[in-house]
Amino acid sequence: NAGVTQTPKFQVLKTGQSMTLQCAQDMNHNSMYWYRQDPGMGLRLIYYSASEGTTDKGEVPNGYNVSRLNKREFSLRLESAAPSQTSVYFCASSHGSDYGYTFGSGTRLTVV
Amino acid sequence: RKEVEQDPGPFNVPEGATVAFNCTYSNSASQSFFWYRQDCRKEPKLLMSVYSSGNEDGRFTAQLNRASQYISLLIRDSKLSDSATYLCVVLMNTGFQKLVFGTGTRLLVSP
Repeated sequence: NAGVTQTPKFQVLKTGQSMTLQCAQDMNHNSMYWYRQDPGMGLRLIYYSASEGTTDKGEVPNGYNVSRLNKREFSLRLESAAPSQTSVYFCASSHGSDYGYTFGSGTRLTVV
Repeated sequence: RKEVEQDPGPFNVPEGATVAFNCTYSNSASQSFFWYRQDCRKEPKLLMSVYSSGNEDGRFTAQLNRASQYISLLIRDSKLSDSATYLCVVLMNTGFQKLVFGTGTRLLVSP
């Protein structure tokens, strides 16, 4: 039972570098989400995909792009990393927003 | 005002104690409510949904007060393994439906 798998678990980037965070779920969920978690801020929604083929901005989308590659996979791209993007990133999935979410184990990203 | 507010704690309690957390939310139209648990450096995990009539799962009881817009979580007979951060989560519709997470209440259970 893999659930939601995120890669990589840890990453250090230099300012201006780009990278893609990968997320895959094997629960046949329709909806997928990307959150970031910062101390004292709680989890904040970056982007979400209500269903395959659709993506929408959340609260803090600036500096990020996403791709819903298929029903299983939802990737998050940082085109030009900035120190303000140092955070823990969580991918999540659910059958719909009214259901509990299942989270991946997170990616700890440091931008120097 | 934050959409979901929680006392950050920490709540320090001895094993066997009963402890309660409250959470308030701003959107009176919110329909679904949850408590999540997050261990240090781990992902959040769903602890329980919160129903209008209140619900219980073993040592955990969740209650909803729509009139006052608050949610509570009661933990009885605390165990060392209950030490974690408890996140209050509310489904809100602000143009799109989304789960809004509180910043969490930290619980430390000591021997």
